[in-house]
Amino acid sequence: QSALTQPPSVSGSPRQSVTISCTGSSSNIGIYNRVSWYQQAPGTAPKLIIYEVSKRPSGVPDRFSGSKSGNTASLTISGLQAEDEADYYCSSYTSSSILYVFGTGTKVTVL
Amino acid sequence: QVQLQQWGAGLLKPSETLSLTCNVHGGSLSDYYWTWIRQPPGGGLEWIGEIYRGGGSTNYNPSLKSRVIISLDMFNNQFSLKLTSVTAADTAVYYCARGDDFGDYGAHFDYWGQGTLVTVSS
Repeated sequence: QSALTQPPSVSGSPRQSVTISCTGSSSNIGIYNRVSWYQQAPGTAPKLIIYEVSKRPSGVPDRFSGSKSGNTASLTISGLQAEDEADYYCSSYTSSSILYVFGTGTKVTVL
Repeated sequence: QVQLQQWGAGLLKPSETLSLTCNVHGGSLSDYYWTWIRQPPGGGLEWIGEIYRGGGSTNYNPSLKSRVIISLDMFNNQFSLKLTSVTAADTAVYYCARGDDFGDYGAHFDYWGQGTLVTVSS
């Protein structure tokens, strides 16, 4: 099963909003509400910021929000801050023998 | 607070076996999916496989299945990854992680180890 498709990069000024798309298929995002998002700063392990499409773990700021429509999930960062500059990956449970697929990754730059 | 601490050899020759261990601090191995994920230099994340405490069942990425073994050590509260016959294509940062599906299906990975860079080179 192929990786989920994300834009390579997005950018925005402080306090603006940016949205990252994550496109899958009817074998993953389209049939399961098991989409999660991870933030990865350089040289560090990924950090869970969204699970089950739109739920935030304790401690994650509410400027991070998730949604899904059809085969595409989205992560929105509202009120962009300098500390949000990182790589972001989506992930989905799948109906195939490869139980989990990740997105290609998106680099967020704060201008 | 759950913490995952991992270790293992960082430099291997082609055809050798990669071996990594992940110790779980501050939590039990019960009721979670103990998972390995890797990331090649400059690349994205790839799910390698998981082991579930209940029954010790495993699931592996089909592309690696013939070479991978994930096992649990309940006594020492840790789990391990072995990947045989490595090649340069296996060069990556390897992460251990905890998968939680809240007893339903489809986990998210809420705790991660610090990562281990494994380089395969002759």
